[in-house]
Amino acid sequence: QKEVEQNSGPLSVPEGAIASLNCTYSDRGSQSFFWYRQYSGKSPELIMSIYSNGDKEDGRFTAQLNKASQYVSLLIRDSQPSDSATYLCAVGPAAGNKLTFGGGTRVLVKP
Amino acid sequence: GAVVSQHPSWVICKSGTSVKIECRSLDFQATTMFWYRQFPKQSLMLMATSNEGSKATYEQGVEKDKFLINHASLTLSTLTVTSAHPEDSSFYICIPGGSYGYTFGSGTRLTVV
Repeated sequence: QKEVEQNSGPLSVPEGAIASLNCTYSDRGSQSFFWYRQYSGKSPELIMSIYSNGDKEDGRFTAQLNKASQYVSLLIRDSQPSDSATYLCAVGPAAGNKLTFGGGTRVLVKP
Repeated sequence: GAVVSQHPSWVICKSGTSVKIECRSLDFQATTMFWYRQFPKQSLMLMATSNEGSKATYEQGVEKDKFLINHASLTLSTLTVTSAHPEDSSFYICIPGGSYGYTFGSGTRLTVV
């Protein structure tokens, strides 16, 4: 059984619209939560980290965490074609420890 | 911020040969290095955890005699794929422990022919 679940997509979004990505996890002891963007053939790059329940905003990105529901999401506002990539959700037991990754959601932003 | 240099970025090798992948932390000391691999259209799966000065710990199903890990210093961890086969073709990524999810190696694309 997968520990971190994501919809594989593709999630097709018109340019300028909001992309909404979801992630659920099974380990209630998880303390750190991350969203990464990965372009084909490249290593993932960190977009957002979140550790507390609620929302965290950084530019066009907003991460939402609900530990009671074991759910973390990512919103991408004003989506751009350059946002087309695979988005990985990762969960960790504590900062600095090994991460468990979801399968990734492929996002396609159409001009 | 923390920087990890991973080499080579890509390598093509013949079946039966060995390939060494290096991850070097440039501006911090990494007592732990997590080694992941990613098959096409799949996510990153943890293979093993290397610990400076001690034996690596391997995830279930990962052959320790095939994937040799060495972490001899606080700045260098290596993964050697021995007797490589086409099914070992994958994208290998190192992530230093203590980087709080912020730092990844740039990855190594291994193709075994």
